[in-house]
Amino acid sequence: GAGVSQTPSNKVTEKGKYVELRCDPISGHTALYWYRQSLGQGPEFLIYFQGTGAADDSGLPNDRFFAVRPEGSVSTLKIQRTERGDSAVYLCASSLGGRVFNEQFFGPGTRLTVL
Amino acid sequence: DAKTTQPPSMDCAEGRAANLPCNHSTISGNEYVYWYRQIHSQGPQYIIHGLKNNETNEMASLIITEDRKSSTLILPHATLRDTAVYYCIVYTGKLIFGQGTTLQVKP
Repeated sequence: GAGVSQTPSNKVTEKGKYVELRCDPISGHTALYWYRQSLGQGPEFLIYFQGTGAADDSGLPNDRFFAVRPEGSVSTLKIQRTERGDSAVYLCASSLGGRVFNEQFFGPGTRLTVL
Repeated sequence: DAKTTQPPSMDCAEGRAANLPCNHSTISGNEYVYWYRQIHSQGPQYIIHGLKNNETNEMASLIITEDRKSSTLILPHATLRDTAVYYCIVYTGKLIFGQGTTLQVKP
């Protein structure tokens, strides 16, 4: 079946611009996660959705970052007033959900470059 | 959060077993150890997890010491496609990735 998909695969923007990154989770997965991965580092947790609500947004670095999942399926990560330090690969993962661990399936990521 | 310590890199000959160590001396009694790997330019992939007993699946084996302060991931017959960064994670409700071990499988 289809895995987690992310669009666009690459995004180049200018400092100060607004960007939206999209994640389509595996059908039926109620949990969705966003991570950010800088070059040479492991993925860094940003936010976790259970259904439509953000169950844990403790990893969002500041208020320029926001994520939504209005219908409990597709999610959009929104970054306002982008900075060069936001350049990274943004990964999305989904799982069957709940606080007990279920395998997280990762998408290929969106590579964001802020010039 | 319980921290993990892994060597930054390891080499393994193709066809031989790859043994990847991980220290997690501050792990709590009900925290699981998870292993993920990330092949270049792909998202991380789940490998295996365990609590206190040794575990085996089609990809790997996980050996956890009796005191649970360390574990070893074993790839029994490494192939070139196993070249990746391997992450050992103590699960505390979310995945906290460290820098992992870069495993290079050589022909």
